[in-house]
Amino acid sequence: EAQVTQNPRYLITVTGKKLTVTCSQNMNHEYMSWYRQDPGLGLRQIYYSMNVEVTDKGDVPEGYKVSRKEKRNFPLILESPSPNQTSLYFCASSLWGSNSPLHFGNGTRLTVT
Amino acid sequence: AQSVTQLDSQVPVFEEAPVELRCNYSSSVSVYLFWYVQYPNQGLQLLLKYLSGSTLVKGINGFEAEFNKSQTSFHLRKPSVHISDTAEYFCVQSGGSYIPTFGRGTSLIVHP
Repeated sequence: EAQVTQNPRYLITVTGKKLTVTCSQNMNHEYMSWYRQDPGLGLRQIYYSMNVEVTDKGDVPEGYKVSRKEKRNFPLILESPSPNQTSLYFCASSLWGSNSPLHFGNGTRLTVT
Repeated sequence: AQSVTQLDSQVPVFEEAPVELRCNYSSSVSVYLFWYVQYPNQGLQLLLKYLSGSTLVKGINGFEAEFNKSQTSFHLRKPSVHISDTAEYFCVQSGGSYIPTFGRGTSLIVHP
């Protein structure tokens, strides 16, 4: 089954403790991206990647890192999480090309205390 | 820069009534438009897309949208909603630089 898999679904952590949210897709998609969703703000893009070893900042990259060492994986890293990074995070992928729809994971709800 | 405006943050409606969720996009040389739906506690899934051709686009679950170039609109409609249509709906534009631009979402609340 074609899918985007995010883990974990729920994560509670404390300020400053490094964490990684994993994202994997099995559709051989070139494009992958991370979003955060906050009430009233919709989805905001954090980082995106157009292919292996090619990543770029989205609208809200501060406090986040990503890597794209393999085509299928695009982990999101919070080196020193802070409470303002409490949010719902989504990973998405698509074929390269602006006419390709995005495929989304089921989300990771992160709480930083 | 592209911008997508969803004109209503919340749309309450009674079951079996028609509904329209409004979306305006940025005029551009190439425009691709999508509507996604997010059910509670789930990720987003594609409802329908406009790439070219017929301006009336049909999607899943009885939804349709009309591409209007002169008004730069891509409104989503359904003639008769069900309780199960209660969800968040996102209008998305891409084209040109490719990076998709999301509207802020419209919460459709269907009352019995």
